[in-house]
Amino acid sequence: GQQVMQIPQYQHVQEGEDFTTYCNSSTTLSNIQWYKQRPGGHPVFLIQLVKSGEVKKQKRLTFQFGEAKKNSSLHITATQTTDVGTYFCAGRPYNQGGKLIFGQGTELSVKP
Amino acid sequence: DGGITQSPKYLFRKEGQNVTLSCEQNLNHDAMYWYRQDPGQGLRLIYYSQIVNDFQKGDIAEGYSVSREKKESFPLTVTSAQKNPTAFYLCASSSKETQYFGPGTRLLVL
Repeated sequence: GQQVMQIPQYQHVQEGEDFTTYCNSSTTLSNIQWYKQRPGGHPVFLIQLVKSGEVKKQKRLTFQFGEAKKNSSLHITATQTTDVGTYFCAGRPYNQGGKLIFGQGTELSVKP
Repeated sequence: DGGITQSPKYLFRKEGQNVTLSCEQNLNHDAMYWYRQDPGQGLRLIYYSQIVNDFQKGDIAEGYSVSREKKESFPLTVTSAQKNPTAFYLCASSSKETQYFGPGTRLLVL
């Protein structure tokens, strides 16, 4: 079946270091979304990318959608303790009735 | 306040028992979803509904049932046929693209 693979599963960084999580789909996506789940919380929508090669920024967060619309990345510059949580990508394949397929998530921990 | 509510926050199930998880939204969204989250894993789709009185199986529907009699409500029943029900259950709704999640229900088996 269609899959969205996300790596790494865990990432431990020192505060101030950068962080990147990568997402790869087995099929072409109409769009990809990113969510953040704080420890003990629920996923919260961050952003959606739709166009091939699209790059969007939210303060220290940079999101990219690959040219082939099969991969995406989230990069955080100079991590802070407030960045702690699990980051999920979620892809929407074509012709799947609007279903989102979630990656396994990357759990980020930040050491002060 | 607009949003999605789930109850209860914690639920304990005995062997052979059916339990029902509540999900209510006042966002006027047509689509609603149920996901299961296990430790260290992503969200897996159980059931989804794009309109009242209609719903479809997701990737892991076995052992679960749903109903969508009202636009605002999408309850999930975890039946005794679900042999490994311990997990965090998340309900979500969406109008177009973005999914909005409820706070979740943590189900534990006694």
